[in-house]
Amino acid sequence: QKEVEQNSGPLSVPEGAIASLNCTYSDRVSQSFFWYRQYSGKSPELIMSIYSNGDKEDGRFTAQLNKASQYVSLLIRDSQPSDSATYLCAVRPPSGSARQLTFGSGTQLTVLP
Amino acid sequence: DAGVIQSPRHEVTEMGQEVTLRCKPISGHNSLFWYRQTMMRGLELLIYFNNNVPIDDSGMPEDRFSAKMPNASFSTLKIQPSEPRDSAVYFCASSTTYVNNEQFFGPGTRLTVL
Repeated sequence: QKEVEQNSGPLSVPEGAIASLNCTYSDRVSQSFFWYRQYSGKSPELIMSIYSNGDKEDGRFTAQLNKASQYVSLLIRDSQPSDSATYLCAVRPPSGSARQLTFGSGTQLTVLP
Repeated sequence: DAGVIQSPRHEVTEMGQEVTLRCKPISGHNSLFWYRQTMMRGLELLIYFNNNVPIDDSGMPEDRFSAKMPNASFSTLKIQPSEPRDSAVYFCASSTTYVNNEQFFGPGTRLTVL
């Protein structure tokens, strides 16, 4: 079982719709969770971080964390063609661990005009 | 503010040659990470430094790979000798603290080994 799993997609949504990206992780004691956006040919860009159960909103983006289910998601409201990218979920173990971020393989999102 | 700086942006070399990739982290960041990204394996952590000291190099694939961080503002990743399977995009990232670990990535170096 992969440590961090994402559906590879591609996920296609029409412009203006809500895009829902999902991520599950295997290490129950994971503490910090991140979503990165990566445009083709570019580097990953941090867009959201979440540390506590529940929802965290930032503009059109909402991150949701459920530690009991070992599940983290990213919702993008009013999707725009400029949101078309690969979204990487990253998970960090508890403080003090020698291990650092583990990335999922990414979900490719296409927003259709 | 300058972000993470990497050089070169593109490198094409022949099998057996030595390759050196360079990274300048964001000023004030005390952790530095080297990643490799391929279609097959995704984004993999190779090694990371904390306060210029290598903490975990378990991701370094072989002895052909080595990394150094002689000071807080510079790091290198060296491959000697290079092989075609080393072809990938190599990213450097830095962060301010160990706990929060919000990492910021450089633009990457696209390496092609012929």
